[in-house]
Amino acid sequence: GAVVSQHPSRVICKSGTSVKIECRSLDFQATTMFWYRQFPKQSLMLMATSNEGSKATYEQGVEKDKFLINHASLTLSTLTVTSAHPEDSSFYICSARDRNSGGGFIYEQFFGPGTRLTVL
Amino acid sequence: AQRVTQPEKLLSVFKGAPVELKCNYSYSGSPELFWYVQYSRQRLQLLLRHISRESIKGFTADLNKGETSFHLKKPFAQEEDSAMYYCALKVASGGYQKVTFGIGTKLQVIP
Repeated sequence: GAVVSQHPSRVICKSGTSVKIECRSLDFQATTMFWYRQFPKQSLMLMATSNEGSKATYEQGVEKDKFLINHASLTLSTLTVTSAHPEDSSFYICSARDRNSGGGFIYEQFFGPGTRLTVL
Repeated sequence: AQRVTQPEKLLSVFKGAPVELKCNYSYSGSPELFWYVQYSRQRLQLLLRHISRESIKGFTADLNKGETSFHLKKPFAQEEDSAMYYCALKVASGGYQKVTFGIGTKLQVIP
């Protein structure tokens, strides 16, 4: 089946530093990847939609200059949290859509295992 | 704006008992709804989608547009059903597709 990986699985950084999280589709090509954030005991909140070869579409309230997204290839999207602060500590999850999954009513996201970010 | 509501954060049932995980949505357009499941220490995965009208692992869900609900049901719970269940609503917005998730319900099946 379709597998999505994330790296790293866990990262601890100091306030003010930048952190890059990678999301890879291992056995399929993903023209679209999604980045979610999940705070404790809350639901997944979509941050942005990443399209290969074009700019990401950010959800309302998400700072594009703080959360830089690069979808450079059909199998890789990266999320960079710039100048991280403790309030950015969260669980970041990516998902990818198989470009061959079909349009219309067929829609399935394959999720990565998530990255736990802790900003001290 | 679209919204997905799962009123129960935790649902505990005995093995063999019926299960119903509630999901209500608000969306002015034509909805596409899904249930996702996350077993302990595993990643989120799609369980079923309303458009397929399928039964997966004994679970079914019927879209009720009148009540704006998409409850997940299973007649006889099994211990391996214990997991987090998320209801999700897909909409098309501004030329791209977006999925909104509910807060999730933890299903605990008691042996």
